[in-house]
Amino acid sequence: DIQMTQSPSSLSASVGDRVTITCRASQSIGTDLSWYQHKPGKVPKLLIYAASRLESGVPSRFSGSGSGTVFTLTINNVQSDDFATYFCQGGYNPPRTFGQGTKVEVK
Amino acid sequence: QVQLQQWGAGLLKPSETLSLTCAVSGGSFGGDYWSWIRQSPGKGLQWIGEINHRGTTSYNPSLKSRVTISADTSKNQFSLSLTSVTAADTAVYSCARVRSRRLGVGDHTWVFDIWGQGTMVTISS
Repeated sequence: DIQMTQSPSSLSASVGDRVTITCRASQSIGTDLSWYQHKPGKVPKLLIYAASRLESGVPSRFSGSGSGTVFTLTINNVQSDDFATYFCQGGYNPPRTFGQGTKVEVK
Repeated sequence: QVQLQQWGAGLLKPSETLSLTCAVSGGSFGGDYWSWIRQSPGKGLQWIGEINHRGTTSYNPSLKSRVTISADTSKNQFSLSLTSVTAADTAVYSCARVRSRRLGVGDHTWVFDIWGQGTMVTISS
């Protein structure tokens, strides 16, 4: 089964910063990688799919890149609404695997 | 707009069976996979399993011996049953839709695009 390793587990940022989160797959998954944002008390929100495609309605300050085993989520010009936990999900076939999550906190 | 509404018991004793149901409203049941995911306190998300409208299921190998996911297409509902629960099964359980996203001719990927509100399930004697 594919394992997804996400780093860092948490980070601190200020409004206006650029933030980068990395997700590594235990084997090549092509571009079958999605990124989600999760805030306390709310349901997770799809941000990026197919490694780099922006979900409709998601601000363009979010971007994704990578293929194979290494993927990154970048948030440019972090806004107050972006402080949340982000997690990746990788692979095409079940079992579906999630990264452990990265909590983006206010510095 | 498709919404998922889930319900089930929130407090169980060890060895009991966890049962949750998720209702799909505002859309059809066919063509997608319907999944259960959980998050234990302080841990990441764990995919439990999924089912489609034909009743085809896939399960997390680590839970497979205790999990059953079933669907009632006439009611647009799907359910999770987890037997012989222990404290390690304490978690927030969520249902979600897994939908195909077309990428190009003959190419697509899968995404979790709609989620239920989550149910906290505590296992305690």
